[in-house]
Amino acid sequence: EDQVTQSPEALRLQEGESSSLNCSYTVSGLRGLFWYRQDPGKGPEFLFTLYSAGEEKEKERLKATLTKKESFLHITAPKPEDSATYLCAVQDRKDKLSFGAGTTVTVRA
Amino acid sequence: ETGVTQTPRHLVMGMTNKKSLKCEQHLGHNAMYWYKQSAKKPLELMFVYNFKEQTENNSVPSRFSPECPNSSHLFLHLHTLQPEDSALYLCASSQGWDRRGGSPLHFGNGTRLTVT
Repeated sequence: EDQVTQSPEALRLQEGESSSLNCSYTVSGLRGLFWYRQDPGKGPEFLFTLYSAGEEKEKERLKATLTKKESFLHITAPKPEDSATYLCAVQDRKDKLSFGAGTTVTVRA
Repeated sequence: ETGVTQTPRHLVMGMTNKKSLKCEQHLGHNAMYWYKQSAKKPLELMFVYNFKEQTENNSVPSRFSPECPNSSHLFLHLHTLQPEDSALYLCASSQGWDRRGGSPLHFGNGTRLTVT
């Protein structure tokens, strides 16, 4: 059975303090790894798709990387508006999608 | 119109009530999904529809009944719910699969359901 584990569960950062979120996975044939951002009271918003080890994607202060066992979401010089819960999901060779429980990031000004 | 719209945003119902959740997508997608989100737990897939045909029912209790009349609309009919069914119910849509893998899901803002 596919498993997705995100760590830490919660992360408190000072504005400008860069950090990384981890998404470890075991999956039967990875077809894609997805990152989403979820704000309180809203649905998840798509950020990135990564398909193979070594791939990287960037968007503003966010950078996602992928290895054969895990993905990292790097937040560079975060701002308070980066506060959210970040979700990771993996899609297996049978097209089944499994989500992690998320990392809640709080950035203080 | 925003991509995926869910109504109502909040719903409080008794255990003997019958209610329905509605989802509409304006993205021209082929697939629609219902997910359940509980605090500090991963999203749980409930149902999947591809081109209006139900392709997945993830062992969901029969008190939840989905309906997909066309590729733009999705309903979740609720009856005789239990307090543990209280959660955020999210609707999503996607374009389907391409040769590299699945296309990302686009979510609505959910219905916060409280069962009393």
